Amino acid sequence: AQTVTQSQPEMSVQEAETVTLSCTYDTSESDYYLFWYKQPPSRQMILVIRQEAYKQQNATENRFSVNFQKAAKSFSLKISDSQLGDAAMYFCAYRSASGATNKLIFGTGTLLAVQP
Amino acid sequence: DVKVTQSSRYLVKRTGEKVFLECVQDMDHENMFWYRQDPGLGLRLIYFSYDVKMKEKGDIPEGYSVSREKKERFSLILESASTNQTSMYLCASRHRGHGNEQFFGPGTRLTVL
Repeated sequence: AQTVTQSQPEMSVQEAETVTLSCTYDTSESDYYLFWYKQPPSRQMILVIRQEAYKQQNATENRFSVNFQKAAKSFSLKISDSQLGDAAMYFCAYRSASGATNKLIFGTGTLLAVQP
Repeated sequence: DVKVTQSSRYLVKRTGEKVFLECVQDMDHENMFWYRQDPGLGLRLIYFSYDVKMKEKGDIPEGYSVSREKKERFSLILESASTNQTSMYLCASRHRGHGNEQFFGPGTRLTVL
């Protein structure tokens, strides 16, 4: 069975600085998708960024980018120029790209604080 | 904009009560999901549905059931609420297809006394 591990329960960053959130996963599959979701306090969870495993190029979305290391099964999220609005719980998630499995498998989350 | 709504943001119930949590999406998504979120445990899948009247157990289905009579609506039922079901419940939906984005509702914080 696939698992997703986020080893940093909490992180803190100064406004305008860069922070990297870690995520590792375990799978025997070769084709899958990886996601980072953001859950602001008392607000809905939203997708931050998505990576297809067959793509070697790391995904980027404005200030958000990933470092996808397929062999190491690592999928970290880098937030550049951190803003107060980036403060949230961040979840890493995995989904198989084959078979009937349709489920997102989530890590336990990293709570990011942004200091002014 | 995709919209996933849940019937209540906060709910307080007594042990043994039957509890209904409702979720509605407006984008004609085939797939719908119910999760519970607990500190330190992340999101755990309770049940999901591929389409109308279809349902499958997730990782923690015990004590829960679901109903999907219409495509846009997915209900989670706690037949006899217990204190260990106090949690945040999140509904989500998406189009079928493994790479498609999953959209979440705002959550219902359920307290069982």
